[in-house]
Amino acid sequence: AQKVTQAQTEISVVEKEDVTLDCVYETRDTTYYLFWYKQPPSGELVFLIRRNSFDEQNEISGRYSWNFQKSTSSFNFTITASQVVDSAVYFCALIKRGAMDTGRRALTFGSGTRLQVQP
Amino acid sequence: NAGVTQTPKFQVLKTGQSMTLQCAQDMNHNSMYWYRQDPGMGLRLIYYSASEGTTDKGEVPNGYNVSRLNKREFSLRLESAAPSQTSVYFCASTPSGTGKNIQYFGAGTRLSVL
Repeated sequence: AQKVTQAQTEISVVEKEDVTLDCVYETRDTTYYLFWYKQPPSGELVFLIRRNSFDEQNEISGRYSWNFQKSTSSFNFTITASQVVDSAVYFCALIKRGAMDTGRRALTFGSGTRLQVQP
Repeated sequence: NAGVTQTPKFQVLKTGQSMTLQCAQDMNHNSMYWYRQDPGMGLRLIYYSASEGTTDKGEVPNGYNVSRLNKREFSLRLESAAPSQTSVYFCASTPSGTGKNIQYFGAGTRLSVL
C-alpha cells in the first residue's frame, strides 16, 4: 500500500520569509513518481512538479525548490521569499511509475498543508 | 484551452435526491478520474476510466456510478444522495503513453447534501 504524509496541517509565515513544506511517503514500488500540486483559494488544483524516483537531483524553479531524498522517503518543497500569492493548500502525491500509463491507478495524495502568507 | 471542465460548480441536494456531475476534457486524453476531497483527507479516488468504454472502482466507490460516454466525457452519478457525500468533487484526466503521467484537474464541484 502507498501512503503520503504531510504532517504540517497549517503554516503561517510573513511575506518574504522562506518556508518548507514537508512530504514523507511510503511505497513498496521500486519506481514511482512524486508530485506537488497547489490549490489556491479559488479551488482548482494546479500541477507544480513531477519527480521520477530515479532522479534525486534537487530542482529549482524561480522561488520554488524541491529536495528529494530517497534514503528518508521525503520530497520537501521550499518557497523562498514567500509572497501573499503563495497562500494556498499544497498537496504532495505519489504514483507507481507506469501505472498511470495503463490508467489503472491514480494518485495517492497527502492530506495537504495550508500555507498562509501574511503581508 | 479549456482543459478539464466540470459542471455544475455548486450544487445543494436534499437527502435521497439524485444528480449527475459532468466532466469533459478537450485534450484527447484516454484516462479520466473522479476524486472527492474532504477536509483533512486529501483527495480520494472514487472511480476511474482507463479508456473509452471501461470504468473501474477506486478507493471510495460506494454510493456512486459513472459513465464514460465517449473519450471526452466522464460523468459521476449519485443515485440517492446522502449527507456523507457532501464534499468537493474533482475530475481529472491524463494522456496515455510512457512518461505522460501528469494529471490535469478540473475546477471542482462543491456539493452539499442536506
